[in-house]
Amino acid sequence: DAGVIQSPRHEVTEMGQEVTLRCKPISGHDYLFWYRQTMMRGLELLIYFNNNVPIDDSGMPEDRFSAKMPNASFSTLKIQPSEPRDSAVYFCASSPPYRGGVEKLFFGSGTQLSVL
Amino acid sequence: GNSVTQMEGPVTLSEEAFLTINCTYTATGYPSLFWYVQYPGEGLQLLLKATKADDKGSNKGFEATYRKETTSFHLEKGSVQVSDSAVYFCALTFNYQLIWGAGTKLIIKP
Repeated sequence: DAGVIQSPRHEVTEMGQEVTLRCKPISGHDYLFWYRQTMMRGLELLIYFNNNVPIDDSGMPEDRFSAKMPNASFSTLKIQPSEPRDSAVYFCASSPPYRGGVEKLFFGSGTQLSVL
Repeated sequence: GNSVTQMEGPVTLSEEAFLTINCTYTATGYPSLFWYVQYPGEGLQLLLKATKADDKGSNKGFEATYRKETTSFHLEKGSVQVSDSAVYFCALTFNYQLIWGAGTKLIIKP
């Protein structure tokens, strides 16, 4: 398996622009997570899905952020409009089911987002 | 609630030194415990895990023992290498919740 695939690897955009980050989870994994990592705040969970359904989006910073999972093999995280404080590395991770919950996560390589 | 506390970094050691990175947790019930490692420019990857008290997880020369009595899961390695330089995250999972420590940056000097 190719692992969790994220695109783009790097994104540079100007304030106010729309940004879309993409993720393909590992086949057969039914949990998908979006994380944001910064030096100041560390690793933050933004949202996670189970069987394509959003379960907990309490970590989404504000209405400018939205995430979708239209099918088991694809998810997007969208920021509209983007702001400089959104600059971070965004990780997608997937996990197989384990005793009705989550055990270990498999991470993608991340998207380095820079908003100028 | 559930939480994970790691020692603050960076931790700087010379090659072949002994490594300990402390991790303690607070949890209801009986969580599974994990160490993840993040190499520069990469995503996190699972290093080792332990699912019940007194279990020892091990991988690539790293070890950690699930200590219920001290609620700890300290990471150890007998002889570190420059290639071990990375950020190490302690985590616990209980049902759907995955709780992360803040991460400890490890720097190994040749």
